[in-house]
Amino acid sequence: DIQMTQSPPSLSASVGDRVTITCRASQKIFSSLNWYQQRPGKAPKLLIFAASSLQSGVPLRFSGSGSGTDFTLTISSLQPEDFATYHCQQSYSAPWTFGQGTKVEI
Amino acid sequence: QVQLQESGPGLVQPSQTLSLTCSVSVDSFSSGGYNWGWIRQHPGMGLEWIGHIYYSGDTYYNPSLRSRVTISVDTSKNQFSLKLTSVTAADTALYYCARGVQDGSPNRYFDLWGRGTLVTVSS
Repeated sequence: DIQMTQSPPSLSASVGDRVTITCRASQKIFSSLNWYQQRPGKAPKLLIFAASSLQSGVPLRFSGSGSGTDFTLTISSLQPEDFATYHCQQSYSAPWTFGQGTKVEI
Repeated sequence: QVQLQESGPGLVQPSQTLSLTCSVSVDSFSSGGYNWGWIRQHPGMGLEWIGHIYYSGDTYYNPSLRSRVTISVDTSKNQFSLKLTSVTAADTALYYCARGVQDGSPNRYFDLWGRGTLVTVSS
């Protein structure tokens, strides 16, 4: 299985901060990497697919980059509603696997 | 607005079978370009892909669960189901159903999710 490692596991930030979350794959996955946001008690919500494509309706402050094994999710200016857990997911090779999540706290 | 809704028992006895159904309120249930999947989340943990099914009935399962999992589809009801046999406490989790997208690229992702249903395995 491809292991997905996110860093950091958690971070504290303030409204207006620029936040970067990293996801590293245990082997090359090209651009088959997706990012989800999960607010407490809610289902995951797709933010970014194919490493850098913004899902319809997602604010432009979210962006994704990377290819191969190293990927990043960036929030350019953190908003109150962005405090959540973020998950990366690879679909290059079955079984599709997720990172352990990064919790963004106030 | 497309919606997915999980249903099923919230409590299952050890060694029994966990059965969940996902009802899909969308006309595109029968169209190509989508798969219909199950993902679970152990308390306080990350997400685990269980498997998915196509409208045609083709299925793909996580090898770690393959011997115990069956996903089926009922096209007449716009529903798909999960069965997990011989459950233990380790199967206690929040179970989500989701719509998977195949947009012609190698990438696959879940663009719509149900709210999730908590299943506890306990006697």
